[in-house]
Amino acid sequence: AQSVSQHNHHVILSEAASLELGCNYSYGGTVNLFWYVQYPGQHLQLLLKYFSGDPLVKGIKGFEAEFIKSKFSFNLRKPSVQWSDTAEYFCAVNAWGSGGYNKLIFGAGTRLAVHP
Amino acid sequence: DTAVSQTPKYLVTQMGNDKSIKCEQNLGHDTMYWYKQDSKKFLKIMFSYNNKELIINETVPNRFSPKSPDKAHLNLHINSLELGDSAVYFCASSQASGGSETQYFGPGTRLLVL
Repeated sequence: AQSVSQHNHHVILSEAASLELGCNYSYGGTVNLFWYVQYPGQHLQLLLKYFSGDPLVKGIKGFEAEFIKSKFSFNLRKPSVQWSDTAEYFCAVNAWGSGGYNKLIFGAGTRLAVHP
Repeated sequence: DTAVSQTPKYLVTQMGNDKSIKCEQNLGHDTMYWYKQDSKKFLKIMFSYNNKELIINETVPNRFSPKSPDKAHLNLHINSLELGDSAVYFCASSQASGGSETQYFGPGTRLLVL
């Protein structure tokens, strides 16, 4: 069965520190990969996604992620975090549901706390 | 200009009751979803509808019954509520049901069953 693993459940950083959040998936076929963010008290919104082409994907707010097919990974990075990046980050991969339709499988999330 | 809206935002109820959560999207999308986020923030798909037809049903108890009166609305009715149903329920929509589609999420409905 398809699955997504996020290695860090909680990350605490100081402002201006660099960020890398790990994400690995298990799925043998063609994948589409996503990072969603959930700011405190808000709904999930898309940070970035990969579905083809350049494996280095740039998203909103200075985030980027690199798809490494050989490692089944899609790690999220930001060179310098801000206090406003405090949020829950979810990695997701598309998978085939019953009836041949796509569905998103989410990782367990990583809670990032950035201290001023 | 809310893209995906849900009502109510909060719902507190007793075990055994029946309740409904409503979802509407004004994005013109064809596909809508219901997700459950548990206390550990784990997000899991429950249902998906494409043009009012059920396309994904993820082994959810049959106490949960989604209904899509038109493609802009996807409601969730829950019968005989149990303590374990306490969670945040998110509605989402996407242009189509393809694998690369971005899903747009609603603000969530926080359900507490006492």
